[in-house]
Amino acid sequence: KQEVTQIPAALSVPEGENLVLNCSFTDSAIYNLQWFRQDPGKGLTSLLLIQSSQREQTSGRLNASLDKSSGRSTLYIAASQPGDSATYLCAAPQTGNMLTFGGGTRLMVKP
Amino acid sequence: EAQVTQNPRYLITVTGKKLTVTCSQNMNHEYMSWYRQDPGLGLRQIYYSMNVEVTDKGDVPEGYKVSRKEKRNFPLILESPSPNQTSLYFCASSLGLRRTNEKLFFGSGTQLSVL
Repeated sequence: KQEVTQIPAALSVPEGENLVLNCSFTDSAIYNLQWFRQDPGKGLTSLLLIQSSQREQTSGRLNASLDKSSGRSTLYIAASQPGDSATYLCAAPQTGNMLTFGGGTRLMVKP
Repeated sequence: EAQVTQNPRYLITVTGKKLTVTCSQNMNHEYMSWYRQDPGLGLRQIYYSMNVEVTDKGDVPEGYKVSRKEKRNFPLILESPSPNQTSLYFCASSLGLRRTNEKLFFGSGTQLSVL
């Protein structure tokens, strides 16, 4: 069964800093991996989806990488802003037609 | 606007009183799913549906029922709610989960409290 772990669980940084969020998964036979953002009390919004054939995917200040062989993905946020404060979750497919989510990294960017 | 709509947003009920949480999507998505989110346990999948009349259990299906009679709707039914089903529930949809470039879209969530 797929297990997804995110480190760190929480992160506080000053505005403007570049930061990296980590996601590891146990079953590398995945066809894609998704990163989501969740604001308090709200639903999840898909930020980036990396297909298994890709190594990176970029959207604005966000860059996600995928290394299937090592079972790892990273989300890089450049020049962080207070508006980036949220919980970030990664999700990897498991057998069948299900997704397994990591526990999330709660990010706070201080002005 | 493309969206997944859940209702109600908040629900307080008592043990044993049947309830239904509705979910509707307007994107002609084949795949729909229900999750619950609990502190310390994260997001866990309850049920999912690959298409009309095709449903399957997720990791935590006990105490829940679903149906998929129309492509756009995927209601979650709690026949006899219990306090351990107090949680934040999310509905999600995708064109097809196994399509490598298809994102998952989430509803805004339903906060359920069972007293």
